[in-house]
Amino acid sequence: AQSVTQPDIHITVSEGASLELRCNYSYGATPYLFWYVQSPGQGLQLLLKYFSGDTLVQGIKGFEAEFKRSQSSFNLRKPSVHWSDAAEYFCAVVRATSGTYKYIFGTGTRLKVLA
Amino acid sequence: DSGVTQTPKHLITATGQRVTLRCSPRSGDLSVYWYQQSLDQGLQFLIQYYNGEERAKGNILERFSAQQFPDLHSELNLSSLELGDSALYFCASSPSGSDEQYFGPGTRLTVT
Repeated sequence: AQSVTQPDIHITVSEGASLELRCNYSYGATPYLFWYVQSPGQGLQLLLKYFSGDTLVQGIKGFEAEFKRSQSSFNLRKPSVHWSDAAEYFCAVVRATSGTYKYIFGTGTRLKVLA
Repeated sequence: DSGVTQTPKHLITATGQRVTLRCSPRSGDLSVYWYQQSLDQGLQFLIQYYNGEERAKGNILERFSAQQFPDLHSELNLSSLELGDSALYFCASSPSGSDEQYFGPGTRLTVT
């Protein structure tokens, strides 16, 4: 069965420091992979996605993620974190069957940014 | 602002009651998805509708049902509510053939 694991429930970094949020997936075929961000009291906003092609994908707000098939990982990175990045981040694998896209989300990583 | 609207924003009700959550998708989006987000279960896919028809089912309880109307808005009906149904309920929409979903701000349901 498809699954997504985000091993870090909480991460705290200082403003200006680099960030890497981990995501591992289990999926039989080439996955569609997404990262979403959820700010407090808000819905989820798409940061970036990977479907095929270049394994390093760029997203909004200065985020990027790298797909590594050998490690079944799709880690999210940002070179310099801003205080406004404090939020919860969700990795998702999407299973496409018969024209529908079923999302399976990880449990999320809550990011705290220290001033 | 994703363009997806959900009402109400907050809902407080008692066990055993029934509630209806409403979602209006982005203009032109035919697919609507419902999710439940709770502290212990995380974000769980409930059900998807496409152009009025049920397309996929996830971890949706039998006490819950949904429908999508001709104007493409969708309603999620939750009945015989239990304390454990307290959660954030999100609706998302996507254009036909797209893998991207756009999430609404959610409805926070509290069952007392």
